[in-house]
Amino acid sequence: GAGVSQSPRYKVAKRGQDVALRCDPISGHVSLFWYQQALGQGPEFLTYFQNEAQLDKSGLPSDRFFAERPEGSVSTLKIQRTQQEDSAVYLCASSLGNSYYEQYFGPGTRLTVT
Amino acid sequence: GQQLNQSPQSMFIQEGEDVSMNCTSSSIFNTWLWYKQDPGEGPVLLIALYKAGELTSNGRLTAQFGITRKDSFLNISASIPSDVGIYFCAGFDNAGNMLTFGGGTRLMVKP
Repeated sequence: GAGVSQSPRYKVAKRGQDVALRCDPISGHVSLFWYQQALGQGPEFLTYFQNEAQLDKSGLPSDRFFAERPEGSVSTLKIQRTQQEDSAVYLCASSLGNSYYEQYFGPGTRLTVT
Repeated sequence: GQQLNQSPQSMFIQEGEDVSMNCTSSSIFNTWLWYKQDPGEGPVLLIALYKAGELTSNGRLTAQFGITRKDSFLNISASIPSDVGIYFCAGFDNAGNMLTFGGGTRLMVKP
């Protein structure tokens, strides 16, 4: 389809494992965002890319979280040495222009750390 | 933590009733967006508002950007069962590039 896609949709990791979550934005969208959504809460900002440049990573909760978008399209969010508190839905969104355009979300990856 | 307060937190209404929910902020926002999220899915954009006082409709949905730029409301007219879900307000302020989300309003519709 033409929307934002994310994979995997579900991921179970043992505490201490590394995980990588993928986001394919809408074709042609310049801006890409990652959000974390805890159960029963609204999404919270993690990081923002404009093309391949990571312009804001102020929401990343620790240095175990790392995101990249090397060619300005697909993005990967990596979490090293996962902890139980990392369990959440990780949402990716993209927008056509600068950050003030409407953001369109993917279905999310539900991460459960056991 | 989140800066937007949404109310009510949940609503249980009869099919056919109108619904109103709102969102308030302690700081000024330049853009307000309303999203709906179904279980297991990402938020879907319903309405975007860019100017203070702006009133915008999308089918049975109407949203307004408050004059003070610190609030917004969403109305749904003649609710139907597929309106069930969680509605989030979100906004951009001057400080950054990210959307700040409210805590959501869970809407349940009784046929």
